[in-house]
Amino acid sequence: DVKVTQSSRYLVKRTGEKVFLECVQDMDHENMFWYRQDPGLGLRLIYFSYDVKMKEKGDIPEGYSVSREKKERFSLILESASTNQTSMYLCASMAGGLNTEAFFGQGTRLTVV
Amino acid sequence: GEDVEQSLFLSVREGDSSVINCTYTDSSSTYLYWYKQEPGAGLQLLTYIFSNMDMKQDQRLTVLLNKKDKHLSLRIADTQTGDSAIYFCAEQGRDDKIIFGKGTRLHILP
Repeated sequence: DVKVTQSSRYLVKRTGEKVFLECVQDMDHENMFWYRQDPGLGLRLIYFSYDVKMKEKGDIPEGYSVSREKKERFSLILESASTNQTSMYLCASMAGGLNTEAFFGQGTRLTVV
Repeated sequence: GEDVEQSLFLSVREGDSSVINCTYTDSSSTYLYWYKQEPGAGLQLLTYIFSNMDMKQDQRLTVLLNKKDKHLSLRIADTQTGDSAIYFCAEQGRDDKIIFGKGTRLHILP
């Protein structure tokens, strides 16, 4: 049973704080992703990683960075949180190869005040 | 209502073939399309297929249509770094409405 686990369901942070969102998967997947989901905008890709220490910018990387030091863990970092980063953050992982399925974590609802 | 589904992501090595799959629900589709969107750019029509065809080939691109299963695929032979993009599947029904999938991001491994 594939598991993608995000460290927190809910977070409240202050503007300017450094925020870490952690995601762990237990299926040895090569690919991991961070999305944010906002009403009316669907899922938007922030960053993805296709291997340890490898990362690629998605569609909206500004204000974010990521870290993939180990295959099972992909961290999203908000260097200096701002109110417009209040959102639902979703982590996903996917095996390499053709026709593989993406598995999502339960989501972290981040509120920046 | 009508729906078009495709996987979110595919990674392939340069030189390998890429196969992007799509399923749709509208059995009255007349045309099916593949669009390509490069970073910062709009949608570019890559190829299309009439619903009474089952295959269309255009240089490195091959489109396969299984109308019975409502399954469409795009095969890119000898994938190059310039093929890195988001690929959208779309279907057009008899009312001419075009429904898009959410796009498959094709990533080329170095």
